[in-house]
Amino acid sequence: QQPVQSPQAVILREGEDAVINCSSSKALYSVHWYRQKHGEAPVFLMILLKGGEQKGHDKISASFNEKKQQSSLYLTASQLSYSGTYFCGTGGTGSARQLTFGSGTQLTVLP
Amino acid sequence: EPEVTQTPSHQVTQMGQEVILRCVPISNHLYFYWYRQILGQKVEFLVSFYNNEISEKSEIFDDQFSVERPDGSNFTLKIRSTKLEDSAMYFCAESGGVVDNSPLHFGNGTRLTVT
Repeated sequence: QQPVQSPQAVILREGEDAVINCSSSKALYSVHWYRQKHGEAPVFLMILLKGGEQKGHDKISASFNEKKQQSSLYLTASQLSYSGTYFCGTGGTGSARQLTFGSGTQLTVLP
Repeated sequence: EPEVTQTPSHQVTQMGQEVILRCVPISNHLYFYWYRQILGQKVEFLVSFYNNEISEKSEIFDDQFSVERPDGSNFTLKIRSTKLEDSAMYFCAESGGVVDNSPLHFGNGTRLTVT
C-alpha cells in the first residue's frame, strides 16, 4: 500500500527550512528517502531502520516514528541544489523485495 | 560509485511492437528491479528479480511483460505488444540486499514512447 506524502509541493527561499512527511497505514519496517531531479533517476538519500532513528546527510536529516508509522525529512538552510522531487519509499516485513514509493513532494528553492 | 547503465536512453516504437529494455547492473549486487514512471507521476514498482527468478511483481506486470538475465550479466525487460499507456520512463534498479535495509541504485532510465 502506497505511503502518503505531504505536502505535495513547497516553495522556499535559499536558507529556509522545510519538512516533508511520509505516513503509512501499515506497520513500517524501514523508510527510504530519495531525491529526483527533473529528467534524472531517483538518488538515494538515506534509510531509517528503527523506530526513533534519526539520520543526517549534510543539512538533510530524517526521523522515523515507528509507533505512528511515519517519517519526516528535514531540510535545513536549504540550498538551490536541494530543488527536486522527494520520494519516500517503504518496504514491508523485513525481507521485502519491493519498495513502494509515495507520490512525491516537489521542492523548489528560489534564490 | 559504479553506475547502473541502461540502454537505450530513448526508444520510440509503434503500438503493438515488441521492445526490449536493457540494464547492466553492478556486478556484486543480487537483487534487481524494474520500475516505471509516467511523466510527472510517482515511481511505480513493476518486478523484482533474485537468483534468476521473479521474486515479486505488481499488478502492472501482466502477461505482456517479462524479465530475463540472458547472459548472467545484462538484465532485460521485454514488453511484447506495446500500448500507448506503456509510454513512460523505465528504471532498472538494484540493491545488495532486501530493500528493507539496502538502498536502491537506479539506472538513468529508458524513455519509452509508444505512438
